[in-house]
Amino acid sequence: DTGVSQNPRHKITKRGQNVTFRCDPISEHNRLYWYRQTLGQGPEFLTYFQNEAQLEKSRLLSDRFSAERPKGSFSTLEIQRTEQGDSAMYLCASSLELRGNGYTFGSGTRLTVV
Amino acid sequence: GIQVEQSPPDLILQEGANSTLRCNFSDSVNNLQWFHQNPWGQLINLFYIPSGTKQNGRLSATTVATERYSLLYISSSQTTGSGVYFCAVEAQYNFNKFYFGSGTKLNVKP
Repeated sequence: DTGVSQNPRHKITKRGQNVTFRCDPISEHNRLYWYRQTLGQGPEFLTYFQNEAQLEKSRLLSDRFSAERPKGSFSTLEIQRTEQGDSAMYLCASSLELRGNGYTFGSGTRLTVV
Repeated sequence: GIQVEQSPPDLILQEGANSTLRCNFSDSVNNLQWFHQNPWGQLINLFYIPSGTKQNGRLSATTVATERYSLLYISSSQTTGSGVYFCAVEAQYNFNKFYFGSGTKLNVKP
């Protein structure tokens, strides 16, 4: 069990550029989640995958955001035409399908849009 | 969605002191976890505790699901325990997401 891995750890980008983050979940976990955390707040849910299917998306996930999980393994989160308000920590978590199972979070990707 | 309230929002402890953090939630839950977020942003899972009591070293937690609250006890606090403690719940009617509280920011002074 190598934990949940996220890359990159930090990303600085200019406003208007596109960015992509990657999450590698724990190998036997079939559920994968993306959360966003701004300074001084708790993480907020963005989207959820069960295997390769994206089953739920938050209203926070505007049209500029897209997430994929090809083959039900790693996931990517892409933000197009970044805005300063996108600056945040993006956290990935994974869990098993069994109801009531605990979540394991990755170390996050800190995005700064300048 | 479910509301999660944590108290106190900020806490300063002298090393070696004990304290209790509280998490109230507004509806029935399927899952409750306590996390410690270190200064680098990593969320470390402390307890998965939808009900009952668990202990792990100097930390213990109790969830009384019928009364919709959970407590995290910190005994003999250490400076390495500084950071933000989050309570997160998964609603019974929608188990696809966590709702987080705003956290308790703990500063343990030597």
